[in-house]
Amino acid sequence: GDSVTQMEGPVTLSEEAFLTINCTYTATGYPSLFWYVQYPGEGLQLLLKATKADDKGSNKGFEATYRKETTSFHLEKGSVQVSDSAVYFCALVRGNEKLTFGTGTRLTIIP
Amino acid sequence: GAVVSQHPSRVICKSGTSVKIECRSLDFQATTMFWYRQFPKQSLMLMATSNEGSKATYEQGVEKDKFLINHASLTLSTLTVTSAHPEDSSFYICSARQGAGGYTFGSGTRLTVV
Repeated sequence: GDSVTQMEGPVTLSEEAFLTINCTYTATGYPSLFWYVQYPGEGLQLLLKATKADDKGSNKGFEATYRKETTSFHLEKGSVQVSDSAVYFCALVRGNEKLTFGTGTRLTIIP
Repeated sequence: GAVVSQHPSRVICKSGTSVKIECRSLDFQATTMFWYRQFPKQSLMLMATSNEGSKATYEQGVEKDKFLINHASLTLSTLTVTSAHPEDSSFYICSARQGAGGYTFGSGTRLTVV
């Protein structure tokens, strides 16, 4: 079945550092890929998405590129802020099927 | 954008009682609702999927008699945890989808059973 493997956390970075959170997937066909963010005590918010190979999703300074050749969708940000501290989930969906989530990566940014 | 309102955000109940959690889609029709459970520092576990007007489909290992899901209208779905016990304490999140559109998540409900 479909699966998403995410970089294990927790990840702790200093403010303005470069961020990469790795995500790889296993799925047949052409899934859509997502990054969701969960702030403390809240539900999930869609951060960005990509629906086909080589698409780049971007939002709030975060980017991720759909790489079919490496089945990856790594999340990057050039300069993180304290407010980026949250849990980040990589996910995929094929057609009308349910979302498949990775295990989540807890990110803490220290001033 | 699409908004899903989930209530209550926090609830504490006594062991043996039942708790109802509501999710409402505020500006769209949620043809499909998903209910997730999240344990501390873990990912989301899909509990069940419900389509408006039909019975929910539960994931393997989820007790359908304990976690009652109702999706009676296109804007409202409820999850009732019946005869709650401390091991049911968790963070519950709903997600709504309109047709083949994107997923919109509620803000979650933290349930504590004492």
